[in-house]
Amino acid sequence: DTGVSQDPRHKITKRGQNVTFRCDPISEHNRLYWYRQTLGQGPEFLTYFQNEAQLEKSRLLSDRFSAERPKGSFSTLEIQRTEQGDSAMYLCASSHRVMTLYGYTFGSGTRLTVV
Amino acid sequence: DQQVKQNSPSLSVQEGRISILNCDYTNSMFDYFLWYKKYPAEGPTFLISISSIKDKNEDGRFTVFLNKSAKHLSLHIVPSQPGDSAVYFCAASASGNQFYFGTGTSLTVIP
Repeated sequence: DTGVSQDPRHKITKRGQNVTFRCDPISEHNRLYWYRQTLGQGPEFLTYFQNEAQLEKSRLLSDRFSAERPKGSFSTLEIQRTEQGDSAMYLCASSHRVMTLYGYTFGSGTRLTVV
Repeated sequence: DQQVKQNSPSLSVQEGRISILNCDYTNSMFDYFLWYKKYPAEGPTFLISISSIKDKNEDGRFTVFLNKSAKHLSLHIVPSQPGDSAVYFCAASASGNQFYFGTGTSLTVIP
């Protein structure tokens, strides 16, 4: 078990370009979460999956954002037509459904810079 | 609207003394509370949790206290060690699905 892996670690993109991030959760975890963290703030919930089903999405997740988790394994988060306000750390986490009080396991994040 | 607040951005404590980190929340429906620790360039790491049916939970040097009537929780670290220097986030949830995080408190333990 190598923990939650996120790729890439850093991404610099020009405004208007599309970007895609990947997250590989801990293999036995059936829940996968995406959070976003900006400077000086705590992580903000974006969306979560249980297996392959996307069960909840935040209002923060505009139409330009889409997340998938095909086959209930890895997940991708795509941002279309990036804006400077999208610059943030994008964190992925995973957990087992019945282990709420054991918290999530977070990955190290993907830092996105939109120039 | 910030539903979880950590009003102290930073805290400095001498090694061996007690560190007390505070967190307030506004949503009375929250029933799961977690503390995370974060080092630079890493994701947050789960530290300790408490559910609303308890008012105290201990794990080694870490104790979390929950005061539901005041909508307040605190994390006590005794004794504090230099390796505890990190940013600490509290988080709360009503469902166990979506957690709301505070803005964090940066703890520095001075050797």
